[in-house]
Amino acid sequence: EAQVTQNPRYLITVTGKKLTVTCSQNMNHEYMSWYRQDPGLGLRQIYYSMNVEVTDKGDVPEGYKVSRKEKRNFPLILESPSPNQTSLYFCASSLLRNTGELFFGEGSRLTVL
Amino acid sequence: DAKTTQPNSMESNEEEPVHLPCNHSTISGTDYIHWYRQLPSQGPEYVIHGLTSNVNNRMASLAIAEDRKSSTLILHRATLRDAAVYYCILTFMDSNYQLIWGAGTKLIIKP
Repeated sequence: EAQVTQNPRYLITVTGKKLTVTCSQNMNHEYMSWYRQDPGLGLRQIYYSMNVEVTDKGDVPEGYKVSRKEKRNFPLILESPSPNQTSLYFCASSLLRNTGELFFGEGSRLTVL
Repeated sequence: DAKTTQPNSMESNEEEPVHLPCNHSTISGTDYIHWYRQLPSQGPEYVIHGLTSNVNNRMASLAIAEDRKSSTLILHRATLRDAAVYYCILTFMDSNYQLIWGAGTKLIIKP
């Protein structure tokens, strides 16, 4: 089954404790992206990747890092989480960056205390 | 950057057609129009997309105005499972390849 898998789905952590949210897709997609969703603000893009070893900043990259060492994986790293990073995070992938269907994961709800 | 404008919410009766409007008056010639929906507690789900011509698929139809400054997503027979937030998004052909998501339209289906 074609899917985008995120882990963990739920996480409560404390300020400053590094964490990684993993994202994996099994569709051989080149394009992958991370979004955060906050009430009243819609989805905002954090980082995206056009292919292996190619990543770029989205609208709200501050406080986040990503890597794309393999085509299927695109982890989101919070080196020193802060409470303003409490949010619902979605990973997505697509075969074609602008015209193709974006496939989304089920989301990871992160709370930073 | 071209943005979209959608009503905050709409209501419809079950089994009736629903027309969800979207304005994108600053759209450029190479921007695609995408529609996604998000059901409660789920990730967004692709619905349909188009460039200039009207499009149909098993989920919905997309009607694009001749000047491309607006579009309408049409659900032919709404069911309770169609209750969701619907997003109209333009995709850019520039070097950033970003999607700009608005607040969407919350569709309420009344039984």
